[in-house]
Amino acid sequence: GAVVSQHPSRVICKSGTSVKIECRSLDFQATTMFWYRQFPKQSLMLMATSNEGSKATYEQGVEKDKFLINHASLTLSTLTVTSAHPEDSSFYICSARELPGPQPNEQFFGPGTRLTVL
Amino acid sequence: GQQLNQSPQSMFIQEGEDVSMNCTSSSIFNTWLWYKQDPGEGPVLLIALYKAGELTSNGRLTAQFGITRKDSFLNISASIPSDVGIYFCAGQLSRSWGKLQFGAGTQVVVTP
Repeated sequence: GAVVSQHPSRVICKSGTSVKIECRSLDFQATTMFWYRQFPKQSLMLMATSNEGSKATYEQGVEKDKFLINHASLTLSTLTVTSAHPEDSSFYICSARELPGPQPNEQFFGPGTRLTVL
Repeated sequence: GQQLNQSPQSMFIQEGEDVSMNCTSSSIFNTWLWYKQDPGEGPVLLIALYKAGELTSNGRLTAQFGITRKDSFLNISASIPSDVGIYFCAGQLSRSWGKLQFGAGTQVVVTP
């Protein structure tokens, strides 16, 4: 149980294009999902909290118009990197928690998406 | 930003040895989570702790929620090559709407 998938696993795009990353909870409903960014040899940095049926909450310093988040169903959240530039290249990871559920404080992570912007 | 102090930053150990790492904070947490991340993968939840003083095991892994609620440790006993990876602690504050704060990670390298 508690499986989270991400698609694609890796993507290479040209500068100026937009890229959509999907995060799915496969065997549970997730009213809340989280999007993280991770640079090489660093820890995870929370970008935003995605809430089903409402607007995402962004962390300080994260541009909401640059990183569009949509959480239209209880099992799917998407992150769109708009007008991507090389500095957006990173490892993007989502997580989800089962709420309500037996252990709502536990977060389960997807396998990550490696974005490379040329 | 990151408010958890995780140490050590890295450990080079021989197979069969025990490993210990810890996280401390100036904040009080209501949940401590320990994750392992392999290269190019997402973190995998190892152990979750919910009560001060709680000691929980998962196979060769043992973790404890500190009495002050400001710290936690993770032990790995009798390490094996597949224990190689980066271990992260994560804490959740009360009324944080589920948001986690992560430590910087402990890189574990196991040599035969």
